[in-house]
Amino acid sequence: NAGVTQTPKFQVLKTGQSMTLQCAQDMNHNSMYWYRQDPGMGLRLIYYSASEGTTDKGEVPNGYNVSRLNKREFSLRLESAAPSQTSVYFCACLRGLGLGNSYNEQFFGPGTRLTVL
Amino acid sequence: GEDVEQSLFLSVREGDSSVINCTYTDSSSTYLYWYKQEPGAGLQLLTYIFSNMDMKQDQRLTVLLNKKDKHLSLRIADTQTGDSAIYFCAESPFDSWGKLQFGAGTQVVVTP
Repeated sequence: NAGVTQTPKFQVLKTGQSMTLQCAQDMNHNSMYWYRQDPGMGLRLIYYSASEGTTDKGEVPNGYNVSRLNKREFSLRLESAAPSQTSVYFCACLRGLGLGNSYNEQFFGPGTRLTVL
Repeated sequence: GEDVEQSLFLSVREGDSSVINCTYTDSSSTYLYWYKQEPGAGLQLLTYIFSNMDMKQDQRLTVLLNKKDKHLSLRIADTQTGDSAIYFCAESPFDSWGKLQFGAGTQVVVTP
């Protein structure tokens, strides 16, 4: 089992270009997440999908869109990249019911390192 | 991660104990987690503690929880060079539907 895979691993864009970051999981989990990681700021949630067919905004959604293509795949799109979107992007899936009083473990992909010039 | 606070850096000598501290704000969090991120990799769950526990021990790892002060700590005994990484604490508030709120991460550097 590959777990959570992300493509590409590295990407350099020019301001205004668009691209889609791909994420796939073979763990059969319902919920998936996109985070960005910036130095000194930890991980911030961009969007999440509690189940196939649903998506919701997280803490920092501006400038991004997502698609939950099926249970396995959750993509993140930058329509017009900006230098402020230079970051490391992580996708994750959740083992657990997502209930507040339950154990919820997130599994992370290896990340995509994006630079916007 | 503004609601979860951690110190950003810890230097420790190989063989010593490391203690990483974290404060959180949401008392509704039933579980609290510690994740480890090695260089160039994603995060991996290291350990967790249920909120009705004060302490949890797992081999070289000891988690202490003070609910009154909303303080969480991770102690690594006999720290090894392979423990060099960034450590994140995270809370999952009751109404968050599985979403995690992360601290900024503590970079641990182990020196020989």
